[in-house]
Amino acid sequence: GAGVSQSPSNKVTEKGKDVELRCDPISGHTALYWYRQSLGQGLEFLIYFQGNSAPDKSGLPSDRFSAERTGGSVSTLTIQRTQQEDSAVYLCASSFESNQPQHFGDGTRLSIL
Amino acid sequence: GENVEQHPSTLSVQEGDSAVIKCTYSDSASNYFPWYKQELGKRPQLIIDIRSNVGEKKDQRIAVTLNKTAKHFSLHITETQPEDSAVYFCAASSGSARQLTFGSGTQLTVLP
Repeated sequence: GAGVSQSPSNKVTEKGKDVELRCDPISGHTALYWYRQSLGQGLEFLIYFQGNSAPDKSGLPSDRFSAERTGGSVSTLTIQRTQQEDSAVYLCASSFESNQPQHFGDGTRLSIL
Repeated sequence: GENVEQHPSTLSVQEGDSAVIKCTYSDSASNYFPWYKQELGKRPQLIIDIRSNVGEKKDQRIAVTLNKTAKHFSLHITETQPEDSAVYFCAASSGSARQLTFGSGTQLTVLP
């Protein structure tokens, strides 16, 4: 596709359940970022992938959050034992290389009941 | 780590007037400063960016200025139009991942 694609667009789940969010970056982009945007707030960095290098997980808020990127393309963000404070829009961005313009997907709106 | 402060949080201007949004950053190693426009329920869209080796950049009605010494950068929108109404975020790229640290956003409203 032409842009960053994320799925699902919306996810409603019960507290304590696990969720998996998917990001398909722009073809050829080696860098992939996950951010979180809470209601009315700015974006908060979560995790970064660059090529085959080990990911930078410095932004993950707890060990319930994990992410992987298979084959240097699609990435999945997993949240285990979800809590109400996990409710937010999860945005994925990709760039040709690190420190290059980042292009965002539409995000996944996650609601924890 | 990096800290980016943005102000004002809300800004209302008359159509045709100019709008200015200001940001400051804390990490002198930051070297890339993009601005994003986000309409309600939509993805953030990159509208302009600047690197630390440049003091000013302009694209039609939009311009960005950077003062590295003072660690602040600003977005200028001239001849504002109602479709400019949105939330604008500044950001600074820093850290080993060159991740973006975002300001808290400015809700710009252009009154017809």
